Amino acid sequence: DTEVTQTPKHLVMGMTNKKSLKCEQHMGHRAMYWYKQKAKKPPELMFVYSYEKLSINESVPSRFSPECPNSSLLNLHLHALQPEDSALYLCASSQDGSGQETQYFGPGTRLLVL
Amino acid sequence: GNSVTQMEGPVTLSEEAFLTINCTYTATGYPSLFWYVQYPGEGLQLLLKATKADDKGSNKGFEATYRKETTSFHLEKGSVQVSDSAVYFCALSDQWGSQGNLIFGKGTKLSVKP
Repeated sequence: DTEVTQTPKHLVMGMTNKKSLKCEQHMGHRAMYWYKQKAKKPPELMFVYSYEKLSINESVPSRFSPECPNSSLLNLHLHALQPEDSALYLCASSQDGSGQETQYFGPGTRLLVL
Repeated sequence: GNSVTQMEGPVTLSEEAFLTINCTYTATGYPSLFWYVQYPGEGLQLLLKATKADDKGSNKGFEATYRKETTSFHLEKGSVQVSDSAVYFCALSDQWGSQGNLIFGKGTKLSVKP
């Protein structure tokens, strides 16, 4: 089973709202990732968690706040977003975050900020 | 630094035509190479991978061979179907890179006409 699940599938929010994206995997992976993908572009890495610790933050604005409650779950808390934050948000996981690993992606959450 | 270059799209083919999508890479070490596919409105799916020189990855009729001498990982399929219409991303993961170091090409959109 190489499934990564994400909820919700679609999300519309205003600039003053607070919402959360959720990601779950049951492959026993110890590394989890958040990516942002704009239309017609490849995914851009936002955050990496390895063994439930934040190991990479790619200079992401503080209105995005990641959380890894346990090795199977990854959340992305959203607050005071801007319309330009509208995008597809992808979660991925891999064995433990070391080099040359295969990352498995979820179906994504399509976010629209009004 | 590491990079991936893919042929620019879009690529439009008739059903049962032969497909080649070119991908070349630059890497400091000995990367693993991947092809991911993204169907309309969906997340990324791993299509195939190769972890060392001369390895051939294959899946669903698609093939790609890791060519170290030409630093290439071209994607091929002998007979495409309408259902293959999607965006294809070539990517690498380098053992010497940092965590989350999946480097993507820009993507190639494939449209297959009946």
